[in-house]
Amino acid sequence: NAGVTQTPKFRVLKTGQSMTLLCAQDMNHEYMYWYRQDPGMGLRLIHYSVGEGTTAKGEVPDGYNVSRLKKQNFLLGLESAAPSQTSVYFCASSYSMEGGSPLHFGNGTRLTVT
Amino acid sequence: AQSVSQHNHHVILSEAASLELGCNYSYGGTVNLFWYVQYPGQHLQLLLKYFSGDPLVKGIKGFEAEFIKSKFSFNLRKPSVQWSDTAEYFCAVNARAGNQFYFGTGTSLTVIP
Repeated sequence: NAGVTQTPKFRVLKTGQSMTLLCAQDMNHEYMYWYRQDPGMGLRLIHYSVGEGTTAKGEVPDGYNVSRLKKQNFLLGLESAAPSQTSVYFCASSYSMEGGSPLHFGNGTRLTVT
Repeated sequence: AQSVSQHNHHVILSEAASLELGCNYSYGGTVNLFWYVQYPGQHLQLLLKYFSGDPLVKGIKGFEAEFIKSKFSFNLRKPSVQWSDTAEYFCAVNARAGNQFYFGTGTSLTVIP
């Protein structure tokens, strides 16, 4: 049972380059999320999805796009990377919002933009 | 908008000392409350959660938390910490009526052997 899998684990980009981070979950969860983690700022929500084909903006969506074409996958794209996007990115999923369903996290992607 | 405050940014304790980490949230409605732990180099893992019922919740590894509704607080406690508890701890809130989780800025705990 893999849970939530993120690829890649590490990436270095130059300013202006683009990339896509992939998140896959095998728990049949409806909800999926992308967070960024920065020192002293905790986790901030970038975008989230409440089901296949739907996405919504979180706290810090600028500079990112997402897609949820399949229920098990949630992609995070950076069209033109900036040094301010240097961060650790975590994908998470949850079964529902009912009953206090917790988030299940992936292992993270460490992105450096030079 | 909801917010979550963790007032202790960095805590250093000796082994066997007692731990209490504060968490306060701002939201007037019904919430679910969580504590997550992140060991060095790893992803966040659920320690415990409160959904309803007994406000004193017990989690893994001897941790517990108490929900005090009147104080909008959900403090994490452990009677006797171990070196292996060295990690970052995050409090999180999710409103029953919403789809988003809100995280505190985290508390870094260092336990000295």
